[in-house]
Amino acid sequence: DTEVTQTPKHLVMGMTNKKSLKCEQHMGHRAMYWYKQKAKKPPELMFVYSYEKLSINESVPSRFSPECPNSSLLNLHLHALQPEDSALYLCASSQWDRGFANTNYGYTFGSGTRLTVV
Amino acid sequence: KNEVEQSPQNLTAQEGEFITINCSYSVGISALHWLQQHPGGGIVSLFMLSSGKKKHGRLIATINIQEKHSSLHITASHPRDSAVYICAVRSSPYGGSQGNLIFGKGTKLSVKP
Repeated sequence: DTEVTQTPKHLVMGMTNKKSLKCEQHMGHRAMYWYKQKAKKPPELMFVYSYEKLSINESVPSRFSPECPNSSLLNLHLHALQPEDSALYLCASSQWDRGFANTNYGYTFGSGTRLTVV
Repeated sequence: KNEVEQSPQNLTAQEGEFITINCSYSVGISALHWLQQHPGGGIVSLFMLSSGKKKHGRLIATINIQEKHSSLHITASHPRDSAVYICAVRSSPYGGSQGNLIFGKGTKLSVKP
């Protein structure tokens, strides 16, 4: 299995809703990433997990709450979002050696969740 | 100045043409990625380079570490190659980097039949 699977592919939610995005990989990658991508812009890093521990939080508002329950799964919990949070949310994974990144392995991206906040 | 610069921003070509997209970066890197994104779609990794040249089908990617420059070439371009091509670098592992990617702004390629 060489894929990163993201569900759902599309999500429409109201500003008072609570929802979760899911990302799963079975490649043994120990680093997992959440990116946010607005239209016609490059992805922006939100969170990095290495060995199931949060190692980077790029000053993301608390209405986005990441969770890494095991080495294969990464969730992004959403609560009280704003319309400007509408975007494509991408998950990625990569190999990771403790202390620094493994340079011999590439990134694998999921196909993303298209989120619309109404 | 962005750490990763791509050129051109937009490119229109006729089917069959040879295409080159350029990427320059200003940081120390451990690897450079070329990524493809179709409209509304997720990102597909085309190449990861740390030196030299790689070829896959009609796609060729090269990197010159000394000049901090990489190129993506598409031979015999086809309308299905129309997409945004993104150069992204993985910063050097030394100095506390977490290995996340730094993205260029992308090159939008349209190949006309």
